[in-house]
Amino acid sequence: DAMVIQNPRYQVTQFGKPVTLSCSQTLNHNVMYWYQQKSSQAPKLLFHYYDKDFNNEADTPDNFQSRRPNTSFCFLDIRSPGLGDAAMYLCATSGTGNSYEQYFGPGTRLTVT
Amino acid sequence: QKEVEQNSGPLSVPEGAIASLNCTYSDRVSQSFFWYRQYSGKSPELIMSIYSNGDKEDGRFTAQLNKASQYVSLLIRDSQPSDSATYLCAVNMDNDYKLSFGAGTTVTVRA
Repeated sequence: DAMVIQNPRYQVTQFGKPVTLSCSQTLNHNVMYWYQQKSSQAPKLLFHYYDKDFNNEADTPDNFQSRRPNTSFCFLDIRSPGLGDAAMYLCATSGTGNSYEQYFGPGTRLTVT
Repeated sequence: QKEVEQNSGPLSVPEGAIASLNCTYSDRVSQSFFWYRQYSGKSPELIMSIYSNGDKEDGRFTAQLNKASQYVSLLIRDSQPSDSATYLCAVNMDNDYKLSFGAGTTVTVRA
């Protein structure tokens, strides 16, 4: 089945220790998104790629970076995690038809100690 | 600022009843509207998409769209305990491929 995969599902890191989260997709979608979601809040878009074009949201901290080496894979790098970065990180994909439907991966739960 | 607002919860309904969820949006040019279901600790799951005014039915779910009133709703008929979740309304803004999400409405179906 076509799907969006995220690894790891749970990640524990220390304050200030860099961490990388990964996302892969078999849907062959052009657009990939990274969201941050904290408890009882809506998903917050951090950035997205349209093919290789990177689009950063204006309020995304510089501490967050992303890479998309090919169509299938996308990475989220948190350079110096703070306690406030503990959250669920969601990867989503969409095609470029008129529908704009987004499909989410299972998420990575990040804990910062 | 372009916004998506959902009726505040939590919403508690008895098993077998209809759960009604509402969503309003501020961008008049929005063309695509979605409902996602999110179980506690899980990721959002797309359950309904609607693009034209009127009703769209899928099993026990019915989405209703009124672009003139900038309003979209979701009805869950014959609610089951497995429907207990947070429901997120999402709307594309600026007619592009980014979605704006509402804060969600938490539904609890009591047996």
